Amino acid sequence: GQQLNQSPQSMFIQEGEDVSMNCTSSSIFNTWLWYKQEPGEGPVLLIALYKAGELTSNGRLTAQFGITRKDSFLNISASIPSDVGIYFCAGDSEVTSGSRLTFGEGTQLTVNP
Amino acid sequence: NAGVTQTPKFRILKIGQSMTLQCTQDMNHNYMYWYRQDPGMGLKLIYYSVGAGITDKGEVPNGYNVSRSTTEDFPLRLELAAPSQTSVYFCASSSPRDTQYFGPGTRLTVL
Repeated sequence: GQQLNQSPQSMFIQEGEDVSMNCTSSSIFNTWLWYKQEPGEGPVLLIALYKAGELTSNGRLTAQFGITRKDSFLNISASIPSDVGIYFCAGDSEVTSGSRLTFGEGTQLTVNP
Repeated sequence: NAGVTQTPKFRILKIGQSMTLQCTQDMNHNYMYWYRQDPGMGLKLIYYSVGAGITDKGEVPNGYNVSRSTTEDFPLRLELAAPSQTSVYFCASSSPRDTQYFGPGTRLTVL
């Protein structure tokens, strides 16, 4: 099946620092999504990207859909303690019978005050 | 709207027992999904449904069954629980060509 390689696996940063994480795939995706998961909760959508080359922001978060359609990155600027959580990328291959998300393995983010 | 709700939140099963994980959504979404998340891993698709009466296998369907008799409900059935099915299970729903919304998850342990 399709696989996404997400890196880094974990990050330990100081409050105020910027963060960058990325996902790469051997397959092309039609949509790239970035989710955040907090302990005991389901993933919550942060940003959705629908077009190759698209750069989208949501507050302090910025994500880009790679030109090759095989990669995406997420940046968080000026991190704060509530940014702590696991960040997942997901690629949507959008088959005719419904959307099929493939998830990366997640980046565990820890922010020290 | 409550969104996607799942019950129970936690469950411990003995090997060989059966159970049904419930999932309900009130957003009138046609598409519903079941995922499992193992420790330190991303989510893997078990089964999905594009509408009432229609279900299809995902990446890891073995040991599970689903049904979709209504738009709102998409229960996941484990017939003979095995330790390998210890995981956190997430249900999600979406409209066609829209993003998926996830429930809070069911944490299942099989001993």
